[in-house]
Amino acid sequence: QSALTQPASVSGSPGQSITISCTGTSSDVGGFNFVSWYQHHPGKAPKLMIYDVTNRPSGVSNRFSGSKSGNTASLTISGLQAEDEADYYCSSYTSSSTLGPYVFGTGTKVTVL
Amino acid sequence: EVQLVESGGGLVQPGGSLRLSCAASGFTFSNYAMSWVRQAPGKGLEWVSGISNSADSTYYADSVKGRFTISRDNSKNTLYLQMNSLRAEDTAVYYCAKDLSAARGFDFWGQGTLVTVSS
Repeated sequence: QSALTQPASVSGSPGQSITISCTGTSSDVGGFNFVSWYQHHPGKAPKLMIYDVTNRPSGVSNRFSGSKSGNTASLTISGLQAEDEADYYCSSYTSSSTLGPYVFGTGTKVTVL
Repeated sequence: EVQLVESGGGLVQPGGSLRLSCAASGFTFSNYAMSWVRQAPGKGLEWVSGISNSADSTYYADSVKGRFTISRDNSKNTLYLQMNSLRAEDTAVYYCAKDLSAARGFDFWGQGTLVTVSS
């Protein structure tokens, strides 16, 4: 039992689109539509960007979108902006008793070139 | 405006204890489950513990089970985390987070409080 797998880093130029993957198992990502994504600037509070795989909270830019296929969820940032540079974490509900009801991804550092 | 303000972090020796608090405002605290999430230096986020809105259910990660106790006082709009038998690997920034609902994620987070376990 371990954290969900994300790429360590993803980069893109301003205006480009990037996609961050989040791979789990049928006990978490693949088994439930309870995947969420968080943006984390160092020293700040994490911010919810996507919940229930595809839903954006009020106030979050529509440049952020989520999807899922099988055991892998994805976060796409379109029209990349300098302010998007941050760490991004996925999370999922898990039925694994050893992890508790939530499991986080390993985190992805997004760099805007 | 939802606000979550953690306090109680600090330097503690291995084997020691610490109690974290999280003061909540801007929403009906008693209606929502709450969780503690931590981030060790240079590491990712790790869910630590959660509690139902009425405190009748509590949940723990295996890494802290038996050492940490989560609780809440709905009359004071405050969440707590009692941490005993602390280890060096418990060193982290601890965040309190408001559950969106029904294990769907966390819609608001505090700024975090740093716990350092070292001799």
